[in-house]
Amino acid sequence: QVQLQESGPRLVKPSETLSLTCIVSGGSLSLYYGSWFRQTPGKGLEWIGYVKYSGRTNYNPSLKDRVTLSVDTSRNQFSLRLTSVTAADSAVYYCARSADYSYGVDVWGQGTTVTVSS
Amino acid sequence: EVVLTQSPGTLSLPPGERATLSCRASQNVNNIYLAWYQQKPGQAPSLLIYGASSRATGVPDRFGGSGSGTDFTLTISRLEPEDSAVYYCQYYGSYLNFGGGSRVEIQ
Repeated sequence: QVQLQESGPRLVKPSETLSLTCIVSGGSLSLYYGSWFRQTPGKGLEWIGYVKYSGRTNYNPSLKDRVTLSVDTSRNQFSLRLTSVTAADSAVYYCARSADYSYGVDVWGQGTTVTVSS
Repeated sequence: EVVLTQSPGTLSLPPGERATLSCRASQNVNNIYLAWYQQKPGQAPSLLIYGASSRATGVPDRFGGSGSGTDFTLTISRLEPEDSAVYYCQYYGSYLNFGGGSRVEIQ
């Protein structure tokens, strides 16, 4: 059974970089999409972007200037970097794995709460 | 960019009743990229329906999806207490968007 676990700092200072890693266990990342989402009470669910096993990426236009997604298939993990964070970036961050999006996003991590504060 | 509008905001029904949730897209969309998710408090979303009408693995058959073009529906045919949750529709065109969600409360 595939499981995903987000890891990284829970507290980030304003203007710094938020970095999270998603570790995939019980299954391969190869041939799949690794996606990142976030959720706040005010903005609901928001897609950040995906990285394919090939390294190809697609980002939410509202975040693309600050986001970088990468994949390390040898370690079966993928990562998120979000630069120049503000309080508005405080959220629950989820990683997820899926085949093509036509099959929906079927495997999610449990989520990790990241707070941006000095 | 496709905007997804869900209604109603909240639906309160007793167990055994039928729940009908709507998701309206701002323009015609490709059915194969329309999905529905269930989210319970403190949990990640869980895939219910993909391709507008295909149930995900392990999803009870009381959950059904339908629709095309701009109008899509998630139906829960006989509500169970564990169906209390927020339900989101999602579409992937060039980018992925979610609707604002519909909350289902079991009386």
